[in-house]
Amino acid sequence: GAVVSQHPSWVICKSGTSVKIECRSLDFQATTMFWYRQFPKQSLMLMATSNEGSKATYEQGVEKDKFLINHASLTLSTLTVTSAHPEDSSFYICSAAGGRRTSYEQYFGPGTRLTVT
Amino acid sequence: AQSVTQLDSHVSVSEGTPVLLRCNYSSSYSPSLFWYVQHPNKGLQLLLKYTSAATLVKGINGFEAEFKKSETSFHLTKPSAHMSDAAEYFCVVSGPYTGGFKTIFGAGTRLFVKA
Repeated sequence: GAVVSQHPSWVICKSGTSVKIECRSLDFQATTMFWYRQFPKQSLMLMATSNEGSKATYEQGVEKDKFLINHASLTLSTLTVTSAHPEDSSFYICSAAGGRRTSYEQYFGPGTRLTVT
Repeated sequence: AQSVTQLDSHVSVSEGTPVLLRCNYSSSYSPSLFWYVQHPNKGLQLLLKYTSAATLVKGINGFEAEFKKSETSFHLTKPSAHMSDAAEYFCVVSGPYTGGFKTIFGAGTRLFVKA
């Protein structure tokens, strides 16, 4: 149980275009979803926290107009990188929490490798 | 407020010898603590977790960790390293936060295993 999927697993896009990444909880209802970014050889940095049906809460320094997060249902959250630039190239990982699991535990997706050319 | 410090950015051991990856945390509340492993170009895999039950936690692949509140530590150990253990390890603390909870990742410790 507690499986989280991400799609796509990798994507290459041209500078200036937008890319959407999906995060799905497959076997539980995720009341909260998190989006992280990981640069090479670095740790995960929390970008934003989203609760189903409400606006996402962004961490300091993360541009909410550039990284659009939607959490429209209890099993799906999306991250859209708008007007992507090469510096947005990174590994994006989502996680989900909720259901009957331990309160502070979250389940991670496999990640999406974004390369902007 | 919460924070987590992984005391070593790199650890190198020989195959068959013990592994010790150190982690200290701070939290205003009783936190949940986790260790994750990440192999190159892969996602995160949960090794073990502490959620206020037994202080000695056993995880997968022979790893275990002991929660020591007096020392605010949650060090990860394994009696005998295997080549396949070479990876990045993250200590993670989670606790209550406005409207839900928040998770803080340590900077990571790269484990090298020599033949």
